[in-house]
Amino acid sequence: EAGVTQFPSHSVIEKGQTVTLRCDPISGHDNLYWYRRVMGKEIKFLLHFVKESKQDESGMPNNRFLAERTGGTYSTLKVQPAELEDSGVYFCASSRGPGGETQYFGPGTRLLVL
Amino acid sequence: EDQVTQSPEALRLQEGESSSLNCSYTVSGLRGLFWYRQDPGKGPEFLFTLYSAGEEKEKERLKATLTKKESFLHITAPKPEDSATYLCAHPMGGGATNKLIFGTGTLLAVQP
Repeated sequence: EAGVTQFPSHSVIEKGQTVTLRCDPISGHDNLYWYRRVMGKEIKFLLHFVKESKQDESGMPNNRFLAERTGGTYSTLKVQPAELEDSGVYFCASSRGPGGETQYFGPGTRLLVL
Repeated sequence: EDQVTQSPEALRLQEGESSSLNCSYTVSGLRGLFWYRQDPGKGPEFLFTLYSAGEEKEKERLKATLTKKESFLHITAPKPEDSATYLCAHPMGGGATNKLIFGTGTLLAVQP
């Protein structure tokens, strides 16, 4: 069974530019999560999709971040315009169900905003 | 506020020197306590889920235990390949919400 995949693995952009991150969850997993780890801090939740619907977006930092999950399959996270403080590692995770179900993580996208 | 605290922040062991990592949490109605391993440049890799006090799970040289306030990850006779950051997390929120609250991790280095 293929794991969670993320693209790109690394991205370096200038402040003010736009970046789109992609996540492909494990097949059959309706729940998809985005997390972020900024330098020196713990991994923090951004948002949670159930199929194509946003279940919880309480962790999204501001309206420069837009997440979508068209058709309930892959998801994209767009940052527009990017700021210096957006630098970090963005992880995607998926699980079959909600509640206490195990979340399986992708390798992450390392974003550096200059 | 729900919180997860891990200790120590870093741990250096000699190969074969057993030790334990600690994860303490403050949450009511625990719906699982997760342990992950993270290697540099990679995403967290699932190790264990514990759901109730007294539960124990083992995998190779690792054993995770859970009490009402904390969890321990015991590492028996570690090898250099066990070197990684070990993360614990628990799901926050009720119902269908399952966002994980992570600790900052314990960086384990096992020297040959």
